[in-house]
Amino acid sequence: QKEVEQDPGPLSVPEGAIVSLNCTYSNSAFQYFMWYRQYSRKGPELLMYTYSSGNKEDGRFTAQVDKSSKYISLFIRDSQPSDSATYLCAMSDGRTGGSYIPTFGRGTSLIVHP
Amino acid sequence: AAGVIQSPRHLIKEKRETATLKCYPIPRHDTVYWYQQGPGQDPQFLISFYEKMQSDKGSIPDRFSAQQFSDYHSELNMSSLELGDSALYFCASSREGGVEQYFGPGTRLTVT
Repeated sequence: QKEVEQDPGPLSVPEGAIVSLNCTYSNSAFQYFMWYRQYSRKGPELLMYTYSSGNKEDGRFTAQVDKSSKYISLFIRDSQPSDSATYLCAMSDGRTGGSYIPTFGRGTSLIVHP
Repeated sequence: AAGVIQSPRHLIKEKRETATLKCYPIPRHDTVYWYQQGPGQDPQFLISFYEKMQSDKGSIPDRFSAQQFSDYHSELNMSSLELGDSALYFCASSREGGVEQYFGPGTRLTVT
């Protein structure tokens, strides 16, 4: 079993819908929770990250972390066709050697159709 | 804004050959990470460098080596290439090993 589980989708929604993307994890030591967006044949782009439990909002994006359930979510409001991409969750238990090393989920493919 | 630069973008090699991938981090970033992403897979961490010293090591094969130079650019050297090494190789950079990593566009390596 992978440390981070993420439904690969694809998730297809109409433009304007609220999208909910989720990940579960098994390592209770994870403290940092990140969401990346990856367009086809491009590198992952960090959307936002949170530390420990709670919510964080940035424009149309809201990240939620529930450490008691080992469950994190990314909500996208008013989804646009340009949001169509693969969304990867990633987690880190903090600085190991000299840096934070994330463990990624496999990504959820999102398709927003006009 | 300047981003992470990787070269080459595409590389085709034969089995048992060697390959060198280069990464130029964002200016003033001192930490570089290397990841391997197979088709439909999540990025797997290979190795990282902070201030020119190896800081963390992941699932990097012994056939691979890497280093960070005085100008903070990094090179990933891959020898005795195998078909299974075909993948996207991403470099990312951050400041002082921070959580916010910025990824480059990747190098697509195909081993035939």
